[in-house]
Amino acid sequence: DIVITQTPLSLSVTPGQPASISCKCSQSLLRSNGKTYFYWYLQKPGRSPQLLMYEVSNRFSGVPDRFSASGSGTDFTLKMSRVEAEDVGVYYCMQTTQFPWTFGQGTKVEIK
Amino acid sequence: QVQLQESGPGLVKPSETLSLTCVVSGDSISTDYFWGWIRQPPGKGLEWIGSIYHTGSTYYNPSLKSRVAISLDTSTNQFSLDLNSVTASDTAVYHCARFPAYWSQGTLVTVSS
Repeated sequence: DIVITQTPLSLSVTPGQPASISCKCSQSLLRSNGKTYFYWYLQKPGRSPQLLMYEVSNRFSGVPDRFSASGSGTDFTLKMSRVEAEDVGVYYCMQTTQFPWTFGQGTKVEIK
Repeated sequence: QVQLQESGPGLVKPSETLSLTCVVSGDSISTDYFWGWIRQPPGKGLEWIGSIYHTGSTYYNPSLKSRVAISLDTSTNQFSLDLNSVTASDTAVYHCARFPAYWSQGTLVTVSS
């Protein structure tokens, strides 16, 4: 199984300040077709997870451009250029390159 | 807009089978996507249960593989989850999804006598 180590597990951010979350995978997520099936989700309190980024760095429909993501192989990063109050929740990364699909442990983001 | 809604009992007795159905609207389950289930024990992270491709091919989490089955019903545009021999550790919010983007709201299933 591909193990994903997500850091940090919690983050307290002043509104307007940047923040970043890292996911490190135990194996490369690059498939032979050249694609990397790595995703970022935000689970707001009391809600189901919502897709933020797909295939490493593509912003999903409606996601603000203050969110960006990068990475390749085994290391991936989600960045928020200016955290807003509506960004609180738990962020998860997920890989679907290889079965079983696996998630990171989650990063709880709160506002100071 | 793709929408998914689970249905099924919120309480299941230990050793019995947990059965949930996911009704899909706004898309056909015959389209070229993976459909599947994820669960989240109270206060914990996300766990992938399994997925089914539109062709009917299934893929399960090895930790659950001996107990789980996912199936498609194209006539009703639904797909289902069966998890047998449940224990208290199967208590969780269960989500269905069209991976990766569309998830249901989630339903809490409690395993208790």
